[in-house]
Amino acid sequence: GAVVSQHPSWVICKSGTSVKIECRSLDFQATTMFWYRQFPKQSLMLMATSNEGSKATYEQGVEKDKFLINHASLTLSTLTVTSAHPEDSSFYICRVPRDSTYEQYFGPGTRLTVT
Amino acid sequence: RKEVEQDPGPFNVPEGATVAFNCTYSNSASQSFFWYRQDCRKEPKLLMSVYSSGNEDGRFTAQLNRASQYISLLIRDSKLSDSATYLCVVNMNNQGGKLIFGQGTELSVKP
Repeated sequence: GAVVSQHPSWVICKSGTSVKIECRSLDFQATTMFWYRQFPKQSLMLMATSNEGSKATYEQGVEKDKFLINHASLTLSTLTVTSAHPEDSSFYICRVPRDSTYEQYFGPGTRLTVT
Repeated sequence: RKEVEQDPGPFNVPEGATVAFNCTYSNSASQSFFWYRQDCRKEPKLLMSVYSSGNEDGRFTAQLNRASQYISLLIRDSKLSDSATYLCVVNMNNQGGKLIFGQGTELSVKP
C-alpha cells in the first residue's frame, strides 16, 4: 500500500485563490519532507525543504510568501499556493525520506490547474 | 549549466532492442546516484541505484564514472512496458539529502 499520500490528487481553481496541498507520511514519522514542482516535459524542480518544528528552507527563486509550507506534525506537511496564477499550474510532488533507512518515498502528486 | 543533464529523447525503439541512456552531473561532490522511472502523470519510482563498480538488475545495467561525472543506463531486450521517462538523479548528501533530477529521457518501445 501507499507509504506517502497527497491530497488532493488534482485541483482546478480560479486565478487569485489559494490552494492547500497535503503530504502525509502513512507508515513512519518524518522530520523532513521535500516539495517538488514539475512542468510538462521538464524535470522535477525542488521548491523547498519542509522541516518539522522549524521554518522551511526555500530554493533560490522560489517565493516563500507565495508558497507557504507548514510542517504541522511528524507525518504532515502542507504546501499552500497563495494567490494562484495560471503559470502556477503544474504537478506538485512531495518526497519523504525515511530517516532510518534513507529510502525515499514519493507522494502520488497533485495536479494543479489555475484558470 | 544544469546540475544533471540528460538527452531528452524521445527514443523510439522496437521491442527487443537494446537502448542506452546517458547522464552527466556537474557537482563532483555528489555522493549517490540513481535511475528513476516516471510514467505519464505519475510520481517517479526508483528503478535502481548506481554504484561505482556498476550494477545489474535483470535487463537493466547501470554504470557510474566518477572521473567523467557520467552515469549510464542500459536496457536490454526492451519490452513495451519499458515505455516511460527515465530520470537520472543525484543525491547531494552534503546538502541534507537533496535529490537533483535530470530532465528525463523519454523512451517509447514499439511492437
